[in-house]
Amino acid sequence: EAQVTQNPRYLITVTGKKLTVTCSQNMNHEYMSWYRQDPGLGLRQIYYSMNVEVTDKGDVPEGYKVSRKEKRNFPLILESPSPNQTSLYFCASREQGQAYGYTFGSGTRLTVV
Amino acid sequence: GEDVEQSLFLSVREGDSSVINCTYTDSSSTYLYWYKQEPGAGLQLLTYIFSNMDMKQDQRLTVLLNKKDKHLSLRIADTQTGDSAIYFCAEITDRGSTLGRLYFGRGTQLTVWP
Repeated sequence: EAQVTQNPRYLITVTGKKLTVTCSQNMNHEYMSWYRQDPGLGLRQIYYSMNVEVTDKGDVPEGYKVSRKEKRNFPLILESPSPNQTSLYFCASREQGQAYGYTFGSGTRLTVV
Repeated sequence: GEDVEQSLFLSVREGDSSVINCTYTDSSSTYLYWYKQEPGAGLQLLTYIFSNMDMKQDQRLTVLLNKKDKHLSLRIADTQTGDSAIYFCAEITDRGSTLGRLYFGRGTQLTVWP
């Protein structure tokens, strides 16, 4: 089944403790992206990647890092999480043609205390 | 970033039609999308329309695009309680610096009353 898999689904952590949210897609998509969703703000792009070793900042990249060493994986790294990074995170990937938009993962709900 | 605007809330009675509106600012938008998010779930692509189209119909869903006014709407006929969800309007542009990026509106919470 074609899908984008994020792990974990839920995570509660403490301020300053490094964490990684993994994202993997099995559709051979070139484009991958991370979004955060906050009430009343919709989805805002954190980082995106157009292909292996090609990444760029989205609208809210502060406090996050990404890497794209393999085509299928696009982990999101929070080196020193803070409470304002408490949010619902979505990973997404897209095939070359734009018509189909992105395929989204099921989301990771992160709480930083 | 690009601006995509939606009203935040819409309530309708079961069986009525729902119309969710969206405006955007980027005249170079190529595709416009409607995504649905049910409570606790991820985003499901409902439908999309290419920017050179005026209308697209898919069963109970009708998408209207007024490119001159940069206005997109989603009409759901015979709305059911299962249609209660957040609906996101989104666009992709083909401008070089933002190629392939997807911009979302804030989402419209549709509540369907029995």
